[in-house]
Amino acid sequence: GQNIDQPTEMTATEGAIVQINCTYQTSGFNGLFWYQQHAGEAPTFLSYNVLDGLEEKGRFSSFLSRSKGYSYLLLKELQMKDSASYLCAVMDSNYQLIWGAGTKLIIKP
Amino acid sequence: IAGITQAPTSQILAAGRRMTLRCTQDMRHNAMYWYRQDLGLGLRLIHYSNTAGTTGKGEVPDGYSVSRANTDDFPLTLASAVPSQTSVYFCASSSQGTNSPLHFGNGTRLTVT
Repeated sequence: GQNIDQPTEMTATEGAIVQINCTYQTSGFNGLFWYQQHAGEAPTFLSYNVLDGLEEKGRFSSFLSRSKGYSYLLLKELQMKDSASYLCAVMDSNYQLIWGAGTKLIIKP
Repeated sequence: IAGITQAPTSQILAAGRRMTLRCTQDMRHNAMYWYRQDLGLGLRLIHYSNTAGTTGKGEVPDGYSVSRANTDDFPLTLASAVPSQTSVYFCASSSQGTNSPLHFGNGTRLTVT
């Protein structure tokens, strides 16, 4: 079966750096997405990776290794507003998105 | 402001009742989706539509139906609600292309009693 694994919850300190990992086992691969979801709100798009390597977008970066079935989302200079759930999703060979359960990130002052 | 509008925001529904969740987008996106989100689980696809006039079944379609009469609207109907359909429902849309991100509505929180 297809599977996306992410840690359930992480805690970090304001101003620090945090890395949220995502491992996947899917039938084929057509890209990996990261979304941010604040409590009670809709998910919003953060990043897309289809080739190996690091994509940087301001304080957020996303890394992909297709051979390892692995991605991470790196958040720098953490702010309180970064407290949210972070969802990893992989597009499989049928162009269907497979979603992880999400990682709840708690930022402490 | 361009985006996706869902209605209602929340609803409490008696088991056995029929309910339609509304979804409208003004971005002229071809593809639209209905997901449910339950605690501890990833988003699960209920139904989708790649273009007006066509629909398809997702991972958890049983008990739900959809229609896509035009580009903008994609309503989701629960013919006879059951308690296991208690969930948060998100409608989403995307333009063509495998790297096109999903744009989500604000969700409908449905409780079936």
